[in-house]
Amino acid sequence: DAGVIQSPRHEVTEMGQEVTLRCKPISGHNSLFWYRQTMMRGLELLIYFNNNVPIDDSGMPEDRFSAKMPNASFSTLKIQPSEPRDSAVYFCASGTQASSTDTQYFGPGTRLTVL
Amino acid sequence: DAKTTQPTSMDCAEGRAANLPCNHSTISGNEYVYWYRQIHSQGPQYIIHGLKNNETNEMASLIITEDRKSSTLILPHATLRDTAVYYCIVRVVGNAGNMLTFGGGTRLMVKP
Repeated sequence: DAGVIQSPRHEVTEMGQEVTLRCKPISGHNSLFWYRQTMMRGLELLIYFNNNVPIDDSGMPEDRFSAKMPNASFSTLKIQPSEPRDSAVYFCASGTQASSTDTQYFGPGTRLTVL
Repeated sequence: DAKTTQPTSMDCAEGRAANLPCNHSTISGNEYVYWYRQIHSQGPQYIIHGLKNNETNEMASLIITEDRKSSTLILPHATLRDTAVYYCIVRVVGNAGNMLTFGGGTRLMVKP
C-alpha cells in the first residue's frame, strides 16, 4: 500500500502566482481531507469530500482557495492568486466512513513557500 | 466535538513507559477518543482509538476512565523515534461530520 500520495513535496512561488497541490488518496477510501499547518494556527481542516462530493468547506480561508475531486483517486487544492500568508504545510488525508474505525491516513504534506 | 486538554510537553527516558494524559470532561456518549502523533516534518499518524473499553494495539495502549472524562495513552517502551507531538481528539464516528479537530497536543521528548 503506497499510502496517500501528495505532490509536489515542496513548492516555492512568488506572490500572485497560481499554485496547485495534488493528492492521490488510498485506494478504496471514500473520504478525503485537506488540512493546513502553520506554527501560529496549528493543524486546520480546510475542506473534506465524501464520495467525491465536497461536504464542508467552511475552513477554506477565502475565495482564493478552491478544491476539486473529479474522481475517487485524485484531488487538487488550488490557490489563485497566492499570497505570502499562504505559506504553510498542506496535508491531504483519506479515510473510510465506517462506524467503528473511521481513521484518517495522512500524506507526507506539501511545504508551500510564497515569496 | 468535545474539547480536550493535554500537557504542553513531557519527557520520557528511552526504554521506559510514556504515559500521556488527556482530559475530555465534556465528552458525549457517542464520541470516541482518538490519538494521533506527528513526528517532525511528517504528516500525522493514527495510533489508536476507543469508546469506553481499554484498547491495545502494536503501537500503544489506551486507558479510558470509567466516567470517560479522561484517558491515558501508554507507549510501553518508548524509543527515540517516539519523539513527536501527540494529539488527543474526541469525535463522533461514522457520519458526515467526521472531521478531526487538532488541538495543541503534547510534545513528547524521549531522551537517551
